[in-house]
Amino acid sequence: GDSVTQMEGPVTLSEEAFLTINCTYTATGYPSLFWYVQYPGEGLQLLLKATKADDKGSNKGFEATYRKETTSFHLEKGSVQVSDSAVYFCALRRGSTLGRLYFGRGTQLTVWP
Amino acid sequence: DVKVTQSSRYLVKRTGEKVFLECVQDMDHENMFWYRQDPGLGLRLIYFSYDVKMKEKGDIPEGYSVSREKKERFSLILESASTNQTSMYLCASSLGQRGYQETQYFGPGTRLLVL
Repeated sequence: GDSVTQMEGPVTLSEEAFLTINCTYTATGYPSLFWYVQYPGEGLQLLLKATKADDKGSNKGFEATYRKETTSFHLEKGSVQVSDSAVYFCALRRGSTLGRLYFGRGTQLTVWP
Repeated sequence: DVKVTQSSRYLVKRTGEKVFLECVQDMDHENMFWYRQDPGLGLRLIYFSYDVKMKEKGDIPEGYSVSREKKERFSLILESASTNQTSMYLCASSLGQRGYQETQYFGPGTRLLVL
């Protein structure tokens, strides 16, 4: 079945460090891929998405490229800030599944000044 | 902006009580979802609804039921609360387009403690 595997946290970085959070997926067909972020005390919000192979999603300095050959959608940011501290979720959606998303387990990121 | 609201941020109930969690969205979305979030397990889908009075089981429906009498409101019901239902509950909605690009919008969550 459809599933998402993302690297376990927690991840702790100093401000301005480079960030990578790995995400791989298993799905039939051609899913769309998403990264959601959850700031402390809040619900999830969409960070970026990509809908076909080789697409790159980007937002707020974060990027992720849809790699079909490696079934991956790794999240990267060149220089993290304290305000990026949050939980990050990778997710996939297939068009035939009435809009439901399949989420990874989440990765806690803490950025220290 | 899409707004998804949940009736309570924090809730404390006793074992065996019937619990209602309410979710309302204000953007005329067709799809609505209930998830629970537990440390180390991520988000797990309990139920979802793609139209009024329509519902589909998610991955962990046992011990829960749902109601969608109006398009904007989706209720999660714990018929007889148990301690293993202590969790964060998240509601989400999406437009309902038959395509790949659809975004889900989340409420702030209800943290439920069952004693």
